[in-house]
Amino acid sequence: DTAVSQTPKYLVTQMGNDKSIKCEQNLGHDTMYWYKQDSKKFLKIMFSYNNKELIINETVPNRFSPKSPDKAHLNLHINSLELGDSAVYFCASSSVAETQYFGPGTRLLVL
Amino acid sequence: QKEVEQNSGPLSVPEGAIASLNCTYSDRGSQSFFWYRQYSGKSPELIMFIYSNGDKEDGRFTAQLNKASQYVSLLIRDSQPSDSATYLCAVAVSNDYKLSFGAGTTVTVRA
Repeated sequence: DTAVSQTPKYLVTQMGNDKSIKCEQNLGHDTMYWYKQDSKKFLKIMFSYNNKELIINETVPNRFSPKSPDKAHLNLHINSLELGDSAVYFCASSSVAETQYFGPGTRLLVL
Repeated sequence: QKEVEQNSGPLSVPEGAIASLNCTYSDRGSQSFFWYRQYSGKSPELIMFIYSNGDKEDGRFTAQLNKASQYVSLLIRDSQPSDSATYLCAVAVSNDYKLSFGAGTTVTVRA
């Protein structure tokens, strides 16, 4: 059984399009996260929700909008995609602060 | 100054040797320290966490923490080719949901 799952696994799209990535966890965790990993493999937090409440909102363009319909789901919507948005986006979850478990990642390529 | 710094490597070790990975951090308020392993094209996988000064052993892995020197390390004993991966150091302030990651150290174990 997959603990943290993401869809889609791969996403290839044109500049200017709008796309969404979905994440679900079946671990019963209260907190979920979105990370971006760039081509240099640097992993950086973007957002975090705890029980559907936004608790971390790093310096991210407002084209990125997270949404948590319930504590098991965290989605990421990206408007007006740019070339620089190409990266791997990881969802993660945790039951306590810090100890985080990652999903398989969504590889986004903007052409 | 980067919050978490690691030698990017690559670190090449012969099979059976000890691989030593280092990580320094800038925030003296940091209380929790994590090591993640990331295989190429895969998601980060938690392998160790340490909260107190000293050593913590788990199988072939030993994490070492020195808060006075703001330094955390990971030793991999009896290195195997399957240990070839990028190792990410992550740091958090106590009860803070935000993990700050280093850029990772790539380890190659040669048979």
